[in-house]
Amino acid sequence: GNSVTQMEGPVTLSEEAFLTINCTYTATGYPSLFWYVQYPGEGLQLLLKATKADDKGSNKGFEATYRKETTSFHLEKGSVQVSDSAVYFCALPSQSYNQGGKLIFGQGTELSVKP
Amino acid sequence: NAGVTQTPKFRVLKTGQSMTLLCAQDMNHEYMYWYRQDPGMGLRLIHYSVGEGTTAKGEVPDGYNVSRLKKQNFLLGLESAAPSQTSVYFCASTPWGTSGANVLTFGAGSRLTVL
Repeated sequence: GNSVTQMEGPVTLSEEAFLTINCTYTATGYPSLFWYVQYPGEGLQLLLKATKADDKGSNKGFEATYRKETTSFHLEKGSVQVSDSAVYFCALPSQSYNQGGKLIFGQGTELSVKP
Repeated sequence: NAGVTQTPKFRVLKTGQSMTLLCAQDMNHEYMYWYRQDPGMGLRLIHYSVGEGTTAKGEVPDGYNVSRLKKQNFLLGLESAAPSQTSVYFCASTPWGTSGANVLTFGAGSRLTVL
């Protein structure tokens, strides 16, 4: 099956700093890739996704590019805000050709942004 | 827009006790999942269902049972709770079909402590 490795945290940044959270994957074929975000006390919610190689997903100022050459899907944001403090999860389907969900998640990276 | 609702939100059990977590979704989604979240381990799939009346094992099914008698509900049972089952449990759902495949909608979580 597929697998994902995510940069460990926690990550502490000052407001307006640049953010990168690394994510690499192992997969057969080219499955969709996802970033989910978990705000304190809440469930996970989809942040962005990319469905094929070279796609760029974006939302709320965050971006991630599906790079098949390096099997990576790093999350970036040019200027973080205090409200971005959360735990970020990289995810992909457990099997590339499975339409039934069954995502596997990285261990999560906790981001704390200080004013 | 209720989405995915989990009950209870918090529960403390003694070792050996039993309990059931309820997940209800009002989006007419075919697929439903139970994950557990533990520090440093991301989310791990316990059981899932691809439709009413069907269930299947995920990555960490031991000690848990599930039922999907109605399309909108997915129950997770612990027959004899153990301290190792102390965790935060998340229910999620997704519609069938390529357009919505793999985009999971999560509940807010149920925090279970087993003493």
